[in-house]
Amino acid sequence: EDQVTQSPEALRLQEGESSSLNCSYTVSGLRGLFWYRQDPGKGPEFLFTLYSAGEEKEKERLKATLTKKESFLHITAPKPEDSATYLCAVQASGSARQLTFGSGTQLTVLP
Amino acid sequence: EPEVTQTPSHQVTQMGQEVILRCVPISNHLYFYWYRQILGQKVEFLVSFYNNEISEKSEIFDDQFSVERPDGSNFTLKIRSTKLEDSAMYFCASRGGTSGTTRWQFFGPGTRLTVL
Repeated sequence: EDQVTQSPEALRLQEGESSSLNCSYTVSGLRGLFWYRQDPGKGPEFLFTLYSAGEEKEKERLKATLTKKESFLHITAPKPEDSATYLCAVQASGSARQLTFGSGTQLTVLP
Repeated sequence: EPEVTQTPSHQVTQMGQEVILRCVPISNHLYFYWYRQILGQKVEFLVSFYNNEISEKSEIFDDQFSVERPDGSNFTLKIRSTKLEDSAMYFCASRGGTSGTTRWQFFGPGTRLTVL
């Protein structure tokens, strides 16, 4: 069974204080690892997809990396508007490409 | 920018009643999904739909649930006899294909279902 574990559950940062969120996974044949941002009461907003170990993707203050067992979402010099829950999900091979989600990391960036 | 839309945004119903949640996936997408998120819990896969049939479903998706693509644009989730435990946020998602950026899965804003 595919499993995704995210840590920490919650993270409070001062504006400008860089940090990383972790997503560890076990899956039978990874087709892709997805990062989403979710604001309260909203749907997940697509950020990145990573397909193979060593791959990196960047978008503004966010950078996602992937190894064979985990992914990191690095946040550089965050701003209050980066406050949200960040979800990690894996897409296994041999499936209908559905996503298995982790519980998310709730990020709060204080001004 | 194309987006997935869902209606209604909030649905309140009595236990035992039927509800239909509606989604309009991104135009020219071929693969459609329903997920749900119970308050404070993970987003969970319910069902995937391709070429007018269910391609995979989870244990949650029992005989009380059904999906349909009644026309070229809508994708619906029906719950025949709602239970209290069906209260959740229901998300529709779609993707275009199986290669490159078409593998990206985009989510709608969700329908909050409250069963009383």
